[in-house]
Amino acid sequence: DQQVKQNSPSLSVQEGRISILNCDYTNSMFDYFLWYKKYPAEGPTFLISISSIKDKNEDGRFTVFLNKSAKHLSLHIVPSQPGDSAVYFCAAMGQGAQKLVFGQGTRLTINP
Amino acid sequence: KAGVTQTPRYLIKTRGQQVTLSCSPISGHRSVSWYQQTPGQGLQFLFEYFSETQRNKGNFPGRFSGRQFSNSRSEMNVSTLELGDSALYLCASSSRPRAIQYFGAGTRLSVL
Repeated sequence: DQQVKQNSPSLSVQEGRISILNCDYTNSMFDYFLWYKKYPAEGPTFLISISSIKDKNEDGRFTVFLNKSAKHLSLHIVPSQPGDSAVYFCAAMGQGAQKLVFGQGTRLTINP
Repeated sequence: KAGVTQTPRYLIKTRGQQVTLSCSPISGHRSVSWYQQTPGQGLQFLFEYFSETQRNKGNFPGRFSGRQFSNSRSEMNVSTLELGDSALYLCASSSRPRAIQYFGAGTRLSVL
């Protein structure tokens, strides 16, 4: 039972344009959401997070939007840069738990 | 500040053997979590330790175990290795439970 889903295995975006990565979840007990970026042979690197009491969080080029009624979150990267090419993971955490539940990841490729 | 350090980076074992992986968290971090990443199952939670106590455990057989020492360093052990245990094992640390988790580079285990 996949509680966190990233339905797009891959995404290709032109340099300078906006990249939008999507994530859906099924468990209404999730109250904290994080995005990680992963390069091959490295561990995931934390990008940005959002608590369920907010619907938007910004950090530089990265913005995360949370739609609790739709159980959907998205990560916007503007403008996209070649160094953003990586696999992006959405993760969720439930109340009272430290455990992260991850999506399957989306491979983002930024084309020059 | 040094990041999360995992040793060894690569390991080759044969079926039936046991293995111990080590994780040194970021200085000051007392919570350590372990995850397994495989192509088929993605990133899955193994267990979490805080102040030397296991607080959460994922859905893995009893062959997978761990511990945390008083200096917050953690080890995980897999006994009676199976081919399916071949994976990237990731350790993450956080300052407290429910805080952002920062990952190490992982240990790539191959079981032959």
